[in-house]
This record gives sequence, C-alpha cells and structure tokens, in this order.
Amino acid sequence: QKEVEQNSGPLSVPEGAIASLNCTYSDRGSQSFFWYRQYSGKSPELIMSIYSNGDKEDGRFTAQLNKASQYVSLLIRDSQPSDSATYLCAAHPPVNSGGSNYKLTFGKGTLLTVNP
Amino acid sequence: KAGVTQTPRYLIKTRGQQVTLSCSPISGHRSVSWYQQTPGQGLQFLFEYFSETQRNKGNFPGRFSGRQFSNSRSEMNVSTLELGDSALYLCASSFYGTGGGDTNYGYTFGSGTRLTVV
Repeated sequence: QKEVEQNSGPLSVPEGAIASLNCTYSDRGSQSFFWYRQYSGKSPELIMSIYSNGDKEDGRFTAQLNKASQYVSLLIRDSQPSDSATYLCAAHPPVNSGGSNYKLTFGKGTLLTVNP
Repeated sequence: KAGVTQTPRYLIKTRGQQVTLSCSPISGHRSVSWYQQTPGQGLQFLFEYFSETQRNKGNFPGRFSGRQFSNSRSEMNVSTLELGDSALYLCASSFYGTGGGDTNYGYTFGSGTRLTVV
C-alpha cells in the first residue's frame, strides 16, 4: 500500500513565526509532490509543487524535498492567521506512457493554527 | 479563466437511491479525476478519465462509476447509496496526462459536492 504520512496536528504557532509541516512517503518511485491548503468547508488549493531534491521558494512558502529520505516539508515564514488551515501533502508517480497511473496519493493533512 | 465547476454543491439522498454528480474541467484540460474526502479516510482516489477513457480506478466498489464526454465534462454516479457514502466529492482537472517524462501536471480542484445520505 503506497502511503503518504503526515502529523495530524494541530500545529499551533504564533503570528509571525515559521510554521514547519512535514510529510513522508512510502513509494520510492514517487516523482512529484504537492502541497495543498484546505480551509474548513472548502476544497483543496494548490500552493506548492516540487519535483527535484532541494528547496523551492515561492513568496512566504518554501517546499523541501529529500528523495533519499522520502521526506517532503513545507515552511511558511511570517505566518499569518489567514494561514490557519489544513495542509495536505500529495505524491504522484512518474507518469507512464499510457497515463494509467495518473493520480495523487494524499496524506490525511496537518491542521495548522496561527494565533494572533 | 473559469475554474473547475462542480454541480450540485449540496445533495441529500436516502439510502438505496442513486446520485449523479457533474464536473466541468478547466478549458483545455483533458484529464478529470474524482476523489472522495471523509474525515476518517481523508482524500481517496476514485477514478481518472482522459479523452473519454477511464485510465485508472481506485479501490471502490462497483457502485461507483463515471464517464467523460467528448467536451471533457465528466459525471460520476453512485448507485444504491449507503450511509457511508456521505462525503465531499471532489473533481480535479489537469492539463497534462499522456506521460513522456512531464512533471508539471498540477491538479486543480473544484469546489466539491457535499453528499449526505440519510
């Protein structure tokens, strides 16, 4: 069973702090990784994607990937109360020639609360 | 650019009934996937369609089915509804889907259909 694991939280940080969200995956063949943010009662919104080992930065968000350790993380700098949401980590295999494995495997999400 | 449109937003059905949900992907996207989200199981993959063909199916019973039309719109159907089918059903569309080493296949989700079975 190919799995993605996340700490369910809740993770509570004060406003302005760095929030660190972590994710591990069991399928060593996974190629691409995605972080989605989901507000209560809403659908997931893609905030970061990463395909190569190392860091990828986009504004206040930094995604980190370590394929050898099968580990993905998301750092949120200068956390704001509006960042309070559930963060979902997802893994995707390399797409085969027919695309028959085209799907995301999600972790169950980490609830982040940013306190003013 | 319009996003992924799912209808209806909310549904209440009785056990034993059937239901059909609709999804219109982003213009130009040919891949449409369906996911079920519940508090206990999280987001689980149902199936994926590309050019009217189902390419991949998750571990759900045969009561769950779907199809895709030539304009890439997709429907999913659940027959003989059970209480455990109560969930948020999410549709995601993606531009890419034919393999060949591409990595930029980000998925965009619709607002979902909240199904309650009573």
